[in-house]
Amino acid sequence: KAGVTQTPRYLIKTRGQQVTLSCSPISGHRSVSWYQQTPGQGLQFLFEYFSETQRNKGNFPGRFSGRQFSNSRSEMNVSTLELGDSALYLCASSYQSPHTDTQYFGPGTRLTVL
Amino acid sequence: DAKTTQPTSMDCAEGRAANLPCNHSTISGNEYVYWYRQIHSQGPQYIIHGLKNNETNEMASLIITEDRKSSTLILPHATLRDTAVYYCIVAPETDSWGKFQFGAGTQVVVTP
Repeated sequence: KAGVTQTPRYLIKTRGQQVTLSCSPISGHRSVSWYQQTPGQGLQFLFEYFSETQRNKGNFPGRFSGRQFSNSRSEMNVSTLELGDSALYLCASSYQSPHTDTQYFGPGTRLTVL
Repeated sequence: DAKTTQPTSMDCAEGRAANLPCNHSTISGNEYVYWYRQIHSQGPQYIIHGLKNNETNEMASLIITEDRKSSTLILPHATLRDTAVYYCIVAPETDSWGKFQFGAGTQVVVTP
């Protein structure tokens, strides 16, 4: 079956703009998590959605938000972009929860903020 | 949550076994040890996990010490495609992936 897909794969924005990234999980998966990866901070958890509800949230400012639709597809939005938001944004999906399921990551969206 | 300590980098010859250590001396009784890897320009990939017993799958073996304070991921016959950053993660029994904290990992380079 198809893996996790993320669109777009690459994006260039300027400071102050906002951006929306999309993630389509593996068919049947209900959990979608988002991560930010930078050379300095590594892979950091942003938030997780399960059945359209946010189940957990990382330590990021309110400019970072997300949502999940009834078909489990998820979007994340970053408003008022800053240079430091330049990163690889990864989405991952699983059927339900850790320890019983495997989490599958997408290829990521590379965001560059100028 | 327990934290992990891994070497920054390791080299391994193609065809040989790669033994990747991880220290998690503050691990709690209900915390699992997970291993992921991330090949350059790709998302992380799950490898294996365990609680206290040694585990083996088609990708690797996981050896956890009896006191559970450390573990070793073994790639039995390393290939060039195993070049990646390997992450050791300790996570409690939880219903959220947010408890999985990825550290800096070990950069493994497999050479011909």
